[in-house]
Amino acid sequence: GAGVSQSPRYKVAKRGQDVALRCDPISGHVSLFWYQQALGQGPEFLTYFQNEAQLDKSGLPSDRFFAERPEGSVSTLKIQRTQQEDSAVYLCASSDPGQLNTEAFFGQGTRLTVV
Amino acid sequence: GNSVTQMEGPVTLSEEAFLTINCTYTATGYPSLFWYVQYPGEGLQLLLKATKADDKGSNKGFEATYRKETTSFHLEKGSVQVSDSAVYFCALKPISGNTPLVFGKGTRLSVIA
Repeated sequence: GAGVSQSPRYKVAKRGQDVALRCDPISGHVSLFWYQQALGQGPEFLTYFQNEAQLDKSGLPSDRFFAERPEGSVSTLKIQRTQQEDSAVYLCASSDPGQLNTEAFFGQGTRLTVV
Repeated sequence: GNSVTQMEGPVTLSEEAFLTINCTYTATGYPSLFWYVQYPGEGLQLLLKATKADDKGSNKGFEATYRKETTSFHLEKGSVQVSDSAVYFCALKPISGNTPLVFGKGTRLSVIA
């Protein structure tokens, strides 16, 4: 596609509910990143894929957070048993690591509100 | 570790005023430096970047110079417009491999006519 696409744009979840957030990266981009952006803060790294391999998940805040990219393109970030502190905008970015100092392209994000 | 500190907002300026948003960083080695902009209702967009010391990134009238001696990458624009109202994020990318960006907290800029 023309850019990184994320869905849904907005999600309201009741506390304890599971949610799944989808990211469609730019076609051909090998690298995919997930970030969490709390209100009034900068994005913070969650996890990174190269193709289908999850190379870094050091930013995932708890074992309730899980991400996958089974075919090396679309990725899903899943949050189990959501808590109020999970409320944030979840950003996905993709890049082409074949280029040195490559730019990361961001989606518009999914705003998750846990009530 | 790697970190980015940028001036707190919000910043409110009149149209055609001079803009400076300060950004300093802490990093191992020589990272690449970026400014991203987030317009209302939109995703993050790359505004400009610099990949080595003394490089100047520029775009849409904005400029920032990579200063290794002061570990800074301040964003400047000579004459802001109402359409520049947005949140601006300074970020670094460590030099090793395809590593994630490390962002500052963002500075909200409001430009009034």
